[in-house]
Parts: sequence; structure tokens; C-alpha cells
Amino acid sequence: KQEVTQIPAALSVPEGENLVLNCSFTDSAIYNLQWFRQDPGKGLTSLLLIQSSQREQTSGRLNASLDKSSGRSTLYIAASQPGDSATYLCAVTGGSQGNLIFGKGTKLSVKP
Amino acid sequence: DAGVIQSPRHEVTEMGQEVTLRCKPISGHDYLFWYRQTMMRGLELLIYFNNNVPIDDSGMPEDRFSAKMPNASFSTLKIQPSEPRDSAVYFCASSSHRGFSYNEQFFGPGTRLTVL
Repeated sequence: KQEVTQIPAALSVPEGENLVLNCSFTDSAIYNLQWFRQDPGKGLTSLLLIQSSQREQTSGRLNASLDKSSGRSTLYIAASQPGDSATYLCAVTGGSQGNLIFGKGTKLSVKP
Repeated sequence: DAGVIQSPRHEVTEMGQEVTLRCKPISGHDYLFWYRQTMMRGLELLIYFNNNVPIDDSGMPEDRFSAKMPNASFSTLKIQPSEPRDSAVYFCASSSHRGFSYNEQFFGPGTRLTVL
């Protein structure tokens, strides 16, 4: 059974720092991996989607990498801002049409 | 595009009552998913549809839960009778297996359900 783990559960950094959020999964046979952002009381916003054949994806200050063989993904946030404060969720898809299996998330707080 | 639309945004009901949650997926998407989020268990899939047909309902917790998708632009999740342990945020998501955003799931704002 696929399990997704995110470490750390919470992270507090000063504004301007570069930071890395980690995601690991137990079964390397994934179809793709998706990173989301969730603000308190809100829905999930898709940040980046990495297909299993890809190694990384970039969007603005965000860069996500994928290493299927080791079962790991990282989300790199450059020059963090207070507006980046949110919970970041990692999720993997086991099949081409399957559901997402989520980690518990990393709650990020960026202090001005 | 308006994104995935869910209604109601908040629902407060009493134990034993019937609850119906509604979802309109993004136009053109052929997959629709229902998830539930709780503090204890995080986000979990309840059921998903492909071209209006239920594909996997193994996440539906009990017979009290049912879901339908009568057409490509509408789905419902019904709980009858509701219980306090059903209190959670219910999300609907949709995706397409075509184009640039192949298989990327887009979520609605969620329905926060409280069963007293």
C-alpha cells in the first residue's frame, strides 16, 4: 500500500530564506506527483505536476524534483515571502487514472 | 474558466438528517474525484468517476454514503443518515487526460460539513 510522508510537519523561516520541503513515498511505481498549497479554510491549489518520466518542474520561485528510484521529491522555494505561508501537500498517483494519495503536509510559516 | 464549483460551502445539520453535496467539474474534464479531509486522517479519496461512470468507490466508508454523476457537468455526494463522525471538509476535484495538464487534478473550495 502506497504511503506518502512529508517532513518536517511544520517549518518556520525568516523572509528571504531559500527552503526545501521533503516528500517520500514507499512505492516507486507512481504515474505522477503533484504539489499543492492549502491556505487555512481554503481548497487546494495545484502548484506543480511532475510526470513519472520527468525529473523536475519549475514555476516562478518554485522548483520541484522527482527521484522515483529513491521514492523522493523535494519542493524548493526561493526567496521566501510571508505570502508563501500555507500548508504544502505532496500527492502521488499510482495509475494513469487513479486517485491521489496524499501526505499529511508541511505547514510553512514565513516571518517578516 | 470558473474552476471546480462546490455547493454548499458550509453545511450544519443534525445527526440522522440527509446531506447532499454538489459539484460541477471543469468543463471538458473526464475524471471527477470526491475526497474527504479530517485532522486525524488527512485527505482521503472516497470515490472517482470516469466519463460519468464510477470507477473506484472503495473509499466510501459505509452504505450511508452514495455518489452519482448523472452527466458530465454535475455530481452529488449524499450521506443518509448523517452522523457526527462524518464532520469533515469534502472536496471535489476534476482532471483531464488530454492536453498540457494531463492528469493534473484541480480542486474545488470544499464543503465544510458539521453534523451535530
